[in-house]
Amino acid sequence: QVQLQESGPGLVKPSQTLSLTCTVSGGSISSGGYYWSWIRQHPGKGLEWIGYIYYSGSTYYNPSLKSRVTISVDTSKNQFSLKLSSVTAADTAVYYCARSTVTRLYPWGQGTLVTVSS
Amino acid sequence: QSVLTQPPSASGTPGQRVTISCSGSSSNIGSNTVNWYQQLPGTAPKLLIYSNNQRPSGVPDRFSGSKSGTSASLAISGLQSEDEADYYCAAWADSLNGFWVFGGGTKLTVL
Repeated sequence: QVQLQESGPGLVKPSQTLSLTCTVSGGSISSGGYYWSWIRQHPGKGLEWIGYIYYSGSTYYNPSLKSRVTISVDTSKNQFSLKLSSVTAADTAVYYCARSTVTRLYPWGQGTLVTVSS
Repeated sequence: QSVLTQPPSASGTPGQRVTISCSGSSSNIGSNTVNWYQQLPGTAPKLLIYSNNQRPSGVPDRFSGSKSGTSASLAISGLQSEDEADYYCAAWADSLNGFWVFGGGTKLTVL
């Protein structure tokens, strides 16, 4: 079965770029029909969709983050990545990667906490 | 605030049946199916229900989902102490591209 695992720095300085990678195992990221998504959850808060990259390479981002977000894919490593620029303390959150179709957002990675602090 | 509306809290006693509502619009719940997730402290959301009322393997049949129009509900029967968690609804939202929207979450307390 497909599993996802996030990785990246747990601490990022303000104004810098947050970079996370999601490694997919048990299935190919190039297989058709899936949206490879990033979602975040601020401490004690609800879930916020960040964006996704379609298997074809097209992307779509949350309009509220669009100017700062880039999602890319490396099919040779079966990974997709998130870059969020010009971070502030408001970007401190647990970041999840997940696979989806239009009917099911599943599976999810275990999540990784990123703290923005100097 | 969240696109989908859930009550912030719900409660019940062991053995009771509890329902959690999720309200949306014609562009999300009204035209697409709903997922429900259970989140225990410090863990990732766990898929409980997809396609409105389908349970992944391993999810007890105490959990059930339904949808009517632009609203959906999660029902938990035979409430157990380990059901105390946060519950989130999610739905695909139609737009030029489409994307996922979430409810704000419901904290379920087992009294």
